[in-house]
This record gives sequence, structure tokens and C-alpha cells, in this order.
Amino acid sequence: DTGVSQNPRHKITKRGQNVTFRCDPISEHNRLYWYRQTLGQGPEFLTYFQNEAQLEKSRLLSDRFSAERPKGSFSTLEIQRTEQGDSAMYLCASSYYITDTQYFGPGTRLTVL
Amino acid sequence: AQTVTQSQPEMSVQEAETVTLSCTYDTSENNYYLFWYKQPPSRQMILVIRQEAYKQQNATENRFSVNFQKAAKSFSLKISDSQLGDTAMYFCAFMKHGGGTSYGKLTFGQGTILTVHP
Repeated sequence: DTGVSQNPRHKITKRGQNVTFRCDPISEHNRLYWYRQTLGQGPEFLTYFQNEAQLEKSRLLSDRFSAERPKGSFSTLEIQRTEQGDSAMYLCASSYYITDTQYFGPGTRLTVL
Repeated sequence: AQTVTQSQPEMSVQEAETVTLSCTYDTSENNYYLFWYKQPPSRQMILVIRQEAYKQQNATENRFSVNFQKAAKSFSLKISDSQLGDTAMYFCAFMKHGGGTSYGKLTFGQGTILTVHP
């Protein structure tokens, strides 16, 4: 089992550009979560999927953010028209069952210039 | 909504000594889970220990143990025989149990930076 992987690990972009991140969960994990972590703070929940269904979105997830999980495998998080306030670490986690431990990936660090 | 508070931004301990990290939470739920996660510098977050609220016995994992006080809504982490590799940011987290919205998502505290000195 290779764990949760995220790509890219680092992304630098200019304000106004669109960016897309990918998360590959542990195989057979049917729940996938996205969190955002700013420097020195705890992660904040953004959204989660059970299989391919997106079950909840945080109010932090503005209209510029969209997440998908086609076929219930990997997931993508897209940010359109990036703003400097979007600079953060974006974490992905997965679990097999709803009450199981969530395993985290290494994160994608986004810097918006 | 649930909130998790870690009142100690930073802690330090000498190698081989014991340290306790504090966490309090606020919820109206009766069934939930509590977690301590560890995030080493520039490395990914890993689970240290978890506690089911319906269990009265405090969870223990090797050198890590918790003091779970449900009535006081307190969930502290004790690290015994501290090692240099324990240096990390530690997060306390809450997860609601049961149906409805927010089921399964983690609510994190602000974190405590622990430094273990040789």
C-alpha cells in the first residue's frame, strides 16, 4: 500500500491563473477529504466524497473552487482565478469507512504571487 | 458547530522526559471521536492516537496516552520518554459520529509545536 499521494507537491502561480491539484487515495478507500492549511494553523475542512459523490462542501469553498472524483478513484481540486489569499497547503486524506482513521497525503503547497 | 482549542502554542521538553499537551473542545454531540495527529517539519500528518467518546478507558499507544475527561470536554496527550523524533506540530481533532452533515470530517485545533531537546 503506497499511501495517499498528491501532485504537484509545490505550485507557484500568478494571481488570476487557474490551478489544478490531484489526489490519489489509498486503493479501496471510498472516502476522500480535502483540507486547507495555512501557515501555523490547523487544517480546515473543504469538502469530501464518498465514492464519486461529493457529500459536503464547506463555506470556505467559494465558487472559484471545484472538486471532482470521477469513478470514485482519484480526485482533483481546481481553483479558478487564484487570489493571494488562496496561498496555503492543500491536504488530501482518505479512509475506508466513515469512522476509520483518515490517512493524509503530503499536501500541495500553493503560492500565489 | 464544534470547536477545538489548543491553548499551548509551543512546548519544549528534554529527551527522555514526559510532556503533556492540552486540548479542550466544545460540542453538543454525545457520540464522537477525538484524535491526536502529529505533523513533523515538512512531512505529512500521521495519526498518533484516537479515542472513542463512548469508551471510558483512556487510549494508549506505546509511549503515547490520553487523559479523556468527557464531562470537562478535555482531551490531553501525554508523551512519555520523549524522543528527538517526537519534535513536531501536534493537532487535536474532533469528529462527529452519527448521521447527518459534517459526519466524518475532522475539526482541528490550532496546533502545539513540540520541541524535544537533547
